[in-house]
Amino acid sequence: GEDVEQSLFLSVREGDSSVINCTYTDSSSTYLYWYKQEPGAGLQLLTYIFSNMDMKQDQRLTVLLNKKDKHLSLRIADTQTGDSAIYFCAESSSGTYKYIFGTGTRLKVLA
Amino acid sequence: DVKVTQSSRYLVKRTGEKVFLECVQDMDHENMFWYRQDPGLGLRLIYFSYDVKMKEKGDIPEGYSVSREKKERFSLILESASTNQTSMYLCASSSDTKHGYTFGSGTRLTVV
Repeated sequence: GEDVEQSLFLSVREGDSSVINCTYTDSSSTYLYWYKQEPGAGLQLLTYIFSNMDMKQDQRLTVLLNKKDKHLSLRIADTQTGDSAIYFCAESSSGTYKYIFGTGTRLKVLA
Repeated sequence: DVKVTQSSRYLVKRTGEKVFLECVQDMDHENMFWYRQDPGLGLRLIYFSYDVKMKEKGDIPEGYSVSREKKERFSLILESASTNQTSMYLCASSSDTKHGYTFGSGTRLTVV
């Protein structure tokens, strides 16, 4: 079945850029998403990208999509301690409201 | 501010008990979902619903059932709780794929 994979941990220094990577297997994905989960909370939608786009920028966030390699990345510029959280990649396929989530990447920002 | 509300943040139940987890959304969304979240496993879909009185099994439905009698409410039922159902349970709703899911804050269930 479809699968979404992420590395489990990432550690960066405050002020540096963070890049969180995700690979997926479903070639019929229509939308791909990045969610953020802070400790003890639910998931919050950060941004999404439609599958016919290569890049989307939203303030400090840049999403890059390589559809050929089925690779999605989230770049956070000028990472702050408040960005410490778990980041989930997710994809939805055409004709379904079901999403497939990755395992999440725990980002730790060092002061 | 739109919301998905889960009735309990923390629950402790005994093995064999029947457990009800409640979720209410105020966005008039058609689609509602129950996931469980476990370290290293990410989010796994238990059940979902596209409409009132309609339900479909997700990837791990065993040991669970659901009820959707009203559009705004989607309940997850653990018929006989077991220790391997100790987990964080997340409810979500959506109206379309573009805008993604809106999640509740989660219920951390411990079965002892």
